[in-house]
Amino acid sequence: DARVTQTPRHKVTEMGQEVTMRCQPILGHNTVFWYRQTMMQGLELLAYFRNRAPLDDSGMPKDRFSAEMPDATLATLKIQPSEPRDSAVYFCASGLYLRHTNEKLFFGSGTQLSVL
Amino acid sequence: AQTVTQSQPEMSVQEAETVTLSCTYDTSESDYYLFWYKQPPSRQMILVIRQEAYKQQNATENRFSVNFQKAAKSFSLKISDSQLGDAAMYFCAYRSAESEMDSNYQLIWGAGTKLIIKP
Repeated sequence: DARVTQTPRHKVTEMGQEVTMRCQPILGHNTVFWYRQTMMQGLELLAYFRNRAPLDDSGMPKDRFSAEMPDATLATLKIQPSEPRDSAVYFCASGLYLRHTNEKLFFGSGTQLSVL
Repeated sequence: AQTVTQSQPEMSVQEAETVTLSCTYDTSESDYYLFWYKQPPSRQMILVIRQEAYKQQNATENRFSVNFQKAAKSFSLKISDSQLGDAAMYFCAYRSAESEMDSNYQLIWGAGTKLIIKP
C-alpha cells in the first residue's frame, strides 16, 4: 500500500537547536499538508502546498518555522531555533485534490518532537 | 468561519456493544464534506468514513455508519459491534466544497473523542 513516510519518528533536542522534519508524500499526490498536534491545541494546520507551491502558511510562526518542497517527493519542515513550546507531534499528510471531488487525505505516522 | 465541536472528550463502551460519537458543526455553506478520522495509539490518522453534504443517504463502512442531519448540522458516528481495535481518538472534520479557492481544501478539525473499549 502507498503511504506517506515521515522521518524521524522521534526527535529529542535542546532548546536553540535546528530541527528538520522530512516527509515523502504518496507518488502522484498534488497536495501536502503539515499539521501540529498538541493536547492543548489539538490539530493545527501549519502550512500546505499545491503542486509544490506554498498556498497557505498562515498558521506557522514565520520567525522560526519554514516549510519547503524542494521536489515532488520531499517536503521539509524546519524549526530554527527550536523552543520547548514547539514540543508536539508534527504530521505530514498528502492527497490528490481535484475540484468538486472528495479525495482522501493520507497521513504519515508523525514526528514526535521534544525540545528540552 | 466554520467550526467543528465534539462535546464528548471521552466515551467508553463494552466490547461488542454499539457506541455513538457526537459531532456538530457550524457553517453558512451548503456544499461541504464531513469526515471521521481515527487515531490509534500508533498515532497515524486513518480515515474512517466520509460524507458529502449533498447526499441525503448516510454513509456506511462495515461496522461504521453516520447519522448526518444537515439541518441540525450534526454528524454522529455509530460504531456497531465494538472491538478492542476500535480504541482510539476519533476526530470529526469539515471541508468546504463550495469555492474554487484552493484554500478551501483545508480541513477544520474537532477536538477529538477518546474511545475506550472495555473487554
